[in-house]
Amino acid sequence: NAGVTQTPKFQVLKTGQSMTLQCAQDMNHNSMYWYRQDPGMGLRLIYYSASEGTTDKGEVPNGYNVSRLNKREFSLRLESAAPSQTSVYFCASTDRIFYEQYFGPGTRLTVT
Amino acid sequence: SQQGEEDPQALSIQEGENATMNCSYKTSINNLQWYRQNSGRGLVHLILIRSNEREKHSGRLRVTLDTSKKSSSLLITASRAADTASYFCATDAGMNRDDKIIFGKGTRLHILP
Repeated sequence: NAGVTQTPKFQVLKTGQSMTLQCAQDMNHNSMYWYRQDPGMGLRLIYYSASEGTTDKGEVPNGYNVSRLNKREFSLRLESAAPSQTSVYFCASTDRIFYEQYFGPGTRLTVT
Repeated sequence: SQQGEEDPQALSIQEGENATMNCSYKTSINNLQWYRQNSGRGLVHLILIRSNEREKHSGRLRVTLDTSKKSSSLLITASRAADTASYFCATDAGMNRDDKIIFGKGTRLHILP
């Protein structure tokens, strides 16, 4: 099992460009999450999907959109990147019963 | 706003000593979890304690939960160099089991040789 995979690992964007971060899990989890991590801020929840077909906003959703494509995949889209979105992005999935979250390796995004 | 807040923000101890980190949260919870993050990597789940539990052990880890004070502590005994990492508490923020999980800002633990 690969667990949670994220692509790409690194990305540099210019202000105003768009991109989609991809996340997939092979653990048959129902819930998936997108977080961003900035120095000194810990992890902040951007969006989550409690089950296939549903998405909900987290703490910092502005400037992002998500798609729960199917049970395995949950993508995060930046329509018009801004320097404030420079961060490390983590995807995670949850076994609903035990609530333990499994994290991907992260995507390091720089917006210039 | 973040649900959990860890204390201290940073901690340096000698190898072999015990390390204690605390987490305070604001609203009632179903579960509280602790995670570890090595530099530049994703978080790894350490332990989960339910709201009706007061203490839980896993290897060198001991977690306590005081729901009346809305606080939890993580104790790592006989610390090792490999324990150097950031530690985060995470709480569910609602009554629905599918609800979101909110992380604190973390404690950076450094084990000195």
